[in-house]
Amino acid sequence: QQQVRQSPQSLTVWEGETAILNCSYENSAFDYFPWYQQFPGEGPALLIAIRSVSDKKEDGRFTIFFNKREKKLSLHITDSQPGDSATYFCAVGANTGKLTFGHGTILRVHP
Amino acid sequence: GGIITQTPKFLIGQEGQKLTLKCQQNFNHDTMYWYRQDSGKGLRLIYYSITENDLQKGDLSEGYDASREKKSSFSLTVTSAQKNEMAVFLCASSIDSFYAEQFFGPGTRLTVL
Repeated sequence: QQQVRQSPQSLTVWEGETAILNCSYENSAFDYFPWYQQFPGEGPALLIAIRSVSDKKEDGRFTIFFNKREKKLSLHITDSQPGDSATYFCAVGANTGKLTFGHGTILRVHP
Repeated sequence: GGIITQTPKFLIGQEGQKLTLKCQQNFNHDTMYWYRQDSGKGLRLIYYSITENDLQKGDLSEGYDASREKKSSFSLTVTSAQKNEMAVFLCASSIDSFYAEQFFGPGTRLTVL
């Protein structure tokens, strides 16, 4: 049973557009939702994270929208840049140290 | 700042062979992790260690052993490599196990012939 689902599997946008990446989860006990960004040949790196007490978290061009009732969240990347081309992983966790990752969304930004 | 070093970068083994992957961090972090990444399947947790003398199984621990030799190092052993297996093994560390950012190494790419 896949606990974290991401969609779409891949996404292509033009430079300057807004990319929207979606994530849903099964277990309402999760209360920590980080997004990790991974470039080819590198390990993932934390991009932005939200706790379940908030419904929105913004950091520059990156915004997480969180809907606790529906167990869904999305990552919005505004004014997308070619350098944002990467794989984005949604993860879920609690205060146990364990994170469960989704399968990732491959984002391509065309100049 | 700090860095996570994984050795080797590439590992080629034979079916049935026992293989060991090593990870070192100089963040002085308490918690360390081993993940397996398969193409299109995200990251799956193999083992993690909350503190120096702790070892806990993740969702994918069967076929693997792990050892936290000291606070800065965490090794993973593939007990019997499976033919045609190909994956990237990622080591990570975090300051503690409570909602903390995980910092990842560059990975060890395993190929089994």
